[in-house]
Amino acid sequence: GAVVSQHPSRVICKSGTSVKIECRSLDFQATTMFWYRQFPKKSLMLMATSNEGSKATYEQGVEKDKFLINHASLTLSTLTVTSAHPEDSSFYICSASRTSDYNEQFFGPGTRLTVL
Amino acid sequence: AQTVTQSQPEMSVQEAETVTLSCTYDTSENNYYLFWYKQPPSRQMILVIRQEAYKQQNATENRFSVNFQKAAKSFSLKISDSQLGDTAMYFCAFSPDNTDKLIFGTGTRLQVFP
Repeated sequence: GAVVSQHPSRVICKSGTSVKIECRSLDFQATTMFWYRQFPKKSLMLMATSNEGSKATYEQGVEKDKFLINHASLTLSTLTVTSAHPEDSSFYICSASRTSDYNEQFFGPGTRLTVL
Repeated sequence: AQTVTQSQPEMSVQEAETVTLSCTYDTSENNYYLFWYKQPPSRQMILVIRQEAYKQQNATENRFSVNFQKAAKSFSLKISDSQLGDTAMYFCAFSPDNTDKLIFGTGTRLQVFP
């Protein structure tokens, strides 16, 4: 149990376009979902926290108009990178938590975004 | 501010040997959770082990065990009988009791040699 999927796993886009990444909890209802960014050989940097039906809470320094997060249901959150630029190229990881799991987060497999 | 420090960027160990990865953290909270996550080359984050701060007994999961020293704010991971499949990045993480957020350390890259 506690499987999280992400789609797509890999995306290449042109500069100026928008890209949407989906994160789904497949076999449980997630009370909270998280979006991280990871640079090569670096740790995970939390971008935002989202709860179903409410606005996401962004970490300091993360542009909320650039990285749009929608948490439409207890099993789906989306991250849209708007007007992507090469510096947005990175590995994006989502995770989900549920109330009963002592703060444990279940991670998706990640999405590699390359902006040309 | 709550921080997590992993002072070993890279470690190596021979197959079947034991290795210990270090982690220290800083917090004023009394109740919290600590985790070790593994990130193999596939980049899928996998939970290795979890410790609740209110429990004095060190957590153990098969070949993985922790040495939790609350007063020293230390949470090291011991891997016994290392296997080639243990080769990965290992992240120590801290989560306050009143939030689901995880604060990650910078990671330790572990290489297991045959």
